[in-house]
Amino acid sequence: GQNIDQPTEMTATEGAIVQINCTYQTSGFNGLFWYQQHAGEAPTFLSYNVLDGLEEKGRFSSFLSRSKGYSYLLLKELQMKDSASYLCAASHGWGNDYKLSFGAGTTVTVRA
Amino acid sequence: GAVVSQHPSWVICKSGTSVKIECRSLDFQATTMFWYRQFPKQSLMLMATSNEGSKATYEQGVEKDKFLINHASLTLSTLTVTSAHPEDSSFYICSAPGQGAATGELFFGEGSRLTVL
Repeated sequence: GQNIDQPTEMTATEGAIVQINCTYQTSGFNGLFWYQQHAGEAPTFLSYNVLDGLEEKGRFSSFLSRSKGYSYLLLKELQMKDSASYLCAASHGWGNDYKLSFGAGTTVTVRA
Repeated sequence: GAVVSQHPSWVICKSGTSVKIECRSLDFQATTMFWYRQFPKQSLMLMATSNEGSKATYEQGVEKDKFLINHASLTLSTLTVTSAHPEDSSFYICSAPGQGAATGELFFGEGSRLTVL
């Protein structure tokens, strides 16, 4: 089976930095996605890591260690609009067996 | 590009009736679409993989006779919740892999919130 763990909730102050950790155990692992989801809306793509290392994209960065089954999403210069749920998702399988399995999501609350 | 549209956004039905949810890829062809269900404050749970021209593949624990999936064309997949009950009330989201920034990136529909009374 697939097992993806991430913290349930995190709170941070506007302008601060928050790091959301994710550990995964999946068979046939391909890569690691991070999605942002506001309440009642569909998830939107943030980042994708397939190789080890850090991928930086503006205020958001994502890191992957395949050997450790570990990833994190780093949110810098937090803004109020960043309050949302952040979903860690592992892609696995190939062709018709390709799937994306999601963690339970981390609700980030940004306070003024 | 890679827009997925889902309809209806909201639906309320009586217990025992059936509800159909449509998922369309607007600017690309999708041979595969994924149907997820999300209960409040929980993650997206994959229900089934819809394959154009063949039967859907259901995840363990998902009743294929209750959640009927039809992938009629390369741009349309439908999910029908048959004999709906209050416990089926949930947020249903479809998605399709497209040519996004990442290989295998999923593009999601807007979601359909089903309330069964």
